Amino acid sequence: SQKIEQNSEALNIQEGKTATLTCNYTNYSPAYLQWYRQDPGRGPVFLLLIRENEKEKRKERLKVTFDTTLKQSLFHITASQPADSATYLCAGGGNQGGKLIFGQGTELSVKP
Amino acid sequence: DTEVTQTPKHLVMGMTNKKSLKCEQHMGHRAMYWYKQKAKKPPELMFVYSYEKLSINESVPSRFSPECPNSSLLNLHLHALQPEDSALYLCASSQGLAGGSYEQYFGPGTRLTVT
Repeated sequence: SQKIEQNSEALNIQEGKTATLTCNYTNYSPAYLQWYRQDPGRGPVFLLLIRENEKEKRKERLKVTFDTTLKQSLFHITASQPADSATYLCAGGGNQGGKLIFGQGTELSVKP
Repeated sequence: DTEVTQTPKHLVMGMTNKKSLKCEQHMGHRAMYWYKQKAKKPPELMFVYSYEKLSINESVPSRFSPECPNSSLLNLHLHALQPEDSALYLCASSQGLAGGSYEQYFGPGTRLTVT
């Protein structure tokens, strides 16, 4: 079945460092990947979208890559801050009428 | 206005009750979604509406009944739920479907507890 896999272990990093989160997909080729941030008890918030023909996208301190050979996307937060602590969800989509397949999410904790 | 609103924020209902969840957006989006999310799990798609017509039903039990009265409103009618249906119910909207390349805007969710 189509799968999006994220590292389910929490990621703990020091403030100011770069956080790198991984998203792998199996058994399908998403036309694009989306990244969302979710805080406890809240709805996800859209961060970035990258299409399969794009190698890299940036928005302020965020950067996402899409490697169709490795079937992987990397999500980077540079100069991380405690306020970046949240769960980050990777979601893939394609020709399924708006349907997104979500990964399990990676919980990021940035310590001061 | 880039907000999706959901009411109520919290709902406790018995297994024989009938209740409804409401969702509203005023962004002119033509696609709206219902998701169910359990603790420490990703959102799980339930229904997709496109131009007020049901586009996707992810084999959801009939005790959940969606309704899209107009392009801004989405309801989820609940009847004879089970305790395992307790979860955070999220509504989302997007500009369209178009292969799903539009970002989705999520509401804050309704925390549902079935007793």
